[in-house]
Amino acid sequence: SQTIHQWPATLVQPVGSPLSLECTVEGTSNPNLYWYRQAAGRGLQLLFYSVGIGQISSEVPQNLSASRPQDRQFILSSKKLLLSDSGFYLCAWGGTISGYGYTFGSGTRLTVV
Amino acid sequence: GIQVEQSPPDLILQEGANSTLRCNFSDSVNNLQWFHQNPWGQLINLFYIPSGTKQNGRLSATTVATERYSLLYISSSQTTDSGVYFCAVGGAGSYQLTFGKGTKLSVIP
Repeated sequence: SQTIHQWPATLVQPVGSPLSLECTVEGTSNPNLYWYRQAAGRGLQLLFYSVGIGQISSEVPQNLSASRPQDRQFILSSKKLLLSDSGFYLCAWGGTISGYGYTFGSGTRLTVV
Repeated sequence: GIQVEQSPPDLILQEGANSTLRCNFSDSVNNLQWFHQNPWGQLINLFYIPSGTKQNGRLSATTVATERYSLLYISSSQTTDSGVYFCAVGGAGSYQLTFGKGTKLSVIP
């Protein structure tokens, strides 16, 4: 069966520090991978998605970047964190364009201080 | 992009009661999913249902694509059903899902 791992679970970082969040998927190949952010309140915002190694699409211009160095690894990064980067970051994998259900990781709660 | 509206925004139920959550969307979709986010933040996929009806235990969902809405039914609610329920949709040719703002359900004993 497919599983998705995301770490760390909680992170407190000072303003201006770098960030690296990692997400890995097991049990499937060539998954579509996604990074979402959930700010205070309830909405989920798509940040990046990837349909293959080295292929990254950005949905929202911001202080963050994403990379996919391996088929089942998706990394979210920042060179210098801002206070506004605080939030709950969720990685997900899903099927093809024609779709089936997404599976989300357990999330990383980031607080920038 | 596609707009997604969920109602009601908040719902309080007595344990054992039934409820219906609604999701309206503004354009045709080929992907519609319902999720439950528990109090710890974990998002669990409940249904992938771009059209038709599905049932899983006490939960069922119906999507009427031609009328651009979907309904999630919860029967005999339990306290463990508490959390936020999200509807998310994707249009033809799109890799992305657009999420609604969710319905926060509180089931009290």
